[in-house]
Amino acid sequence: GAGVSQSPSNKVTEKGKDVELRCDPISGHTALYWYRQRLGQGLEFLIYFQGNSAPDKSGLPSDRFSAERTGESVSTLTIQRTQQEDSAVYLCASSSRQGNQPQHFGDGTRLSIL
Amino acid sequence: QKEVEQNSGPLSVPEGAIASLNCTYSDRVSQSFFWYRQYSGKSPELIMSIYSNGDKEDGRFTAQLNKASQYVSLLIRDSQPSDSATYLCAVMGAGGTSYGKLTFGQGTILTVHP
Repeated sequence: GAGVSQSPSNKVTEKGKDVELRCDPISGHTALYWYRQRLGQGLEFLIYFQGNSAPDKSGLPSDRFSAERTGESVSTLTIQRTQQEDSAVYLCASSSRQGNQPQHFGDGTRLSIL
Repeated sequence: QKEVEQNSGPLSVPEGAIASLNCTYSDRVSQSFFWYRQYSGKSPELIMSIYSNGDKEDGRFTAQLNKASQYVSLLIRDSQPSDSATYLCAVMGAGGTSYGKLTFGQGTILTVHP
């Protein structure tokens, strides 16, 4: 596709369950980023990938959060033992390479923890 | 001090007026700056990128950068109701593992009334 694709678009789950969020970057984009946006708040950086490597994981809120990227393409963000404070929109962005290139965002996954 | 600060708004301007959005940042070595527009319930959409001191114009939008003052702004000329949205200032990290990482301001809500 032409843009960043994220799935699912909406996810409702019970507290304590694990969830997997998927991101398909723009074809050819080597850098991929995950952000979180809580209701009414700004964007919070989580992690980025250059190729399949994640040089900066400093934004991951806790060890319940993990992410991987394979084939320099699809990335998965996994949240284990979800908590209500994990409720947010999770946004993925990609850019043509790491560095000063603009990042283009997907439509996000709206995660609601009951 | 927040890393990226925007005028808190909300900002309300009449149709046809100039809307002025301001942003300051704390990391003096930052080199890349972006403005995103976010409609309610949607993901951020890139409007402008600016890397050098001075003005950069694109249609009705003008971005202004002053690195010495650590200040970046966005002017929207001939504002239209369709410009009503939250405008996000984003600053890119300049070195080490921060290279490529975007730090966002909290956003300024703009309303253009007919």
